Amino acid sequence: QVQLVESGGGVVQPGRSLRLSCAASGFAFRSYGMHWVRQAPGKGLEWVAIIWYDGSNEYYADSVKGRFTISRDNSKNTLYLQMNSLRAEDTALYCCARGIIDHGMDVWGQGTTVTVSS
Amino acid sequence: DIQMTQSPSTLSTSVGDRVTITCRASQSISGWLAWYQQRPGKAPKLLIYKASSLESGVPSRFSGSGSGTEFTLTINSLQPDDFATYYCQHYNSYSVTFGQGTKLEIK
Repeated sequence: QVQLVESGGGVVQPGRSLRLSCAASGFAFRSYGMHWVRQAPGKGLEWVAIIWYDGSNEYYADSVKGRFTISRDNSKNTLYLQMNSLRAEDTALYCCARGIIDHGMDVWGQGTTVTVSS
Repeated sequence: DIQMTQSPSTLSTSVGDRVTITCRASQSISGWLAWYQQRPGKAPKLLIYKASSLESGVPSRFSGSGSGTEFTLTINSLQPDDFATYYCQHYNSYSVTFGQGTKLEIK
């Protein structure tokens, strides 16, 4: 079945780095744009980044621009989020989601938790 | 940047009620709006896309309308499973903005 499974979360000190992964299965990963969305504890949804289906373009929320990098490996059906210079306010559940330009985000993973704390 | 503002933030309602949630965009977004349902501890679920198109498998008691800057999500005959948080979302090929969410509570 269509599935997205995130991994790589954990507890990290402020200023350090972490790389998240999102493994896709059950669909033609190379044909879809992909997003990262996060949700801080008790808060709403915050979009983080998008990468086009072929990796040719990527865009970021202002809150992470210059610190986070989204990438993908279509040969491995895997999406990544490299997070550098982490801050306490980056603490959240990070989910990957499949995006369709005229359709929204129709498939979501369950997320991986990132905690930034000294 | 486009801002999305939902109202109300919380709605106390009962099974069987009809509810309407409003989402306003800070500028015209044509029809590029989606609605999501999120139950506690679960991933968001797409309900409506392109402002008024029902996602496959979503019950017909959910409907969306609007264009430009004002949009609504209507749920007819509220069911127990519908008590959740709902988010509107503007999307295009380079940016996504969520509303702050509307939580439906049991009265």
